[in-house]
Amino acid sequence: DIQMTQSPSSLSASVGDRVTITCRASQSISSYLNWYQQKPGKAPKLLIYAASSLQSGVPSRFSGSGSGTDFTLTISSLQPEDFATYYCQQSYSTPSITFGQGTRLEIK
Amino acid sequence: EVQLVESGGGLVQPGGSLRLSCAASGFTFSSYSMNWVRQAPGKGLEWVSYISSSSSTIYYADSVKGRFTISRDNAKNSLYLQMNSLRAEDTAVYYCARTNTAIATYYFDYWGQGTLVTVSS
Repeated sequence: DIQMTQSPSSLSASVGDRVTITCRASQSISSYLNWYQQKPGKAPKLLIYAASSLQSGVPSRFSGSGSGTDFTLTISSLQPEDFATYYCQQSYSTPSITFGQGTRLEIK
Repeated sequence: EVQLVESGGGLVQPGGSLRLSCAASGFTFSSYSMNWVRQAPGKGLEWVSYISSSSSTIYYADSVKGRFTISRDNAKNSLYLQMNSLRAEDTAVYYCARTNTAIATYYFDYWGQGTLVTVSS
C-alpha cells in the first residue's frame, strides 16, 4: 500500500495566519491527491480534489498544490471555522485508497 | 440536497454480526459507486469497502476481507455493510461516502454522519 505522511501532526495558529500542511506519498501518485477537513463529531468534508481543484462551495482561501510525492494544503487567512483536523488521501492505487494520519489545527 | 444517512450501529460481542445501512437521497443513487470508510475512536480514516454503481465491482480492505460484505439496492436507494466475525479492532464510526471522479481522480464528495459500532464483551 502507498503510505501517506502528513506534517506536522498538529499545528497551533492564529486567526488571519497563513497555514501550510504537507502530505508526502511513499511513491509517486501523480496528482491523485485529495484533501478533507473534519471537525469533532462530524463527517469529513471534501476540500480539494486532484491536488489543486477546489470543491464547489469551499472558500477560496483554501488551495492545494503539488504532484508526484509532495503536496501542500494552504489556508491563506485562517478563519475561526477552519480549526479542525485535515486529512490527505491518495486515489492512485485504487482500490487500496489510503489516508494520511491527519493534521490537527488548533487555535493559538 | 444530497443526503446519506447511516443506521444499524450498536454494541456487539466479539465474533458477532451487524448489518449497517445507508439511505441515500437527493441524487441518482444508481449512477454512483459508493464506499464505507471507518474511523476508530481518536484515530484517522480507513477505507473499508467499495461497490460500483451496478454492483459489478466490489473491493475490500485487507483488514475486513472475508468478514465483511458490501451490497446495494438501487431500487431502495440503499447501501449496506454486513459485518461478521467482528473483532475489537473493528470498533469505529462507520461512514458511507459517495464516489465521484474528475480529472481521472477518485474522491469522496459526500459523507453520511456516521454510525458507531462497538465490539466488546
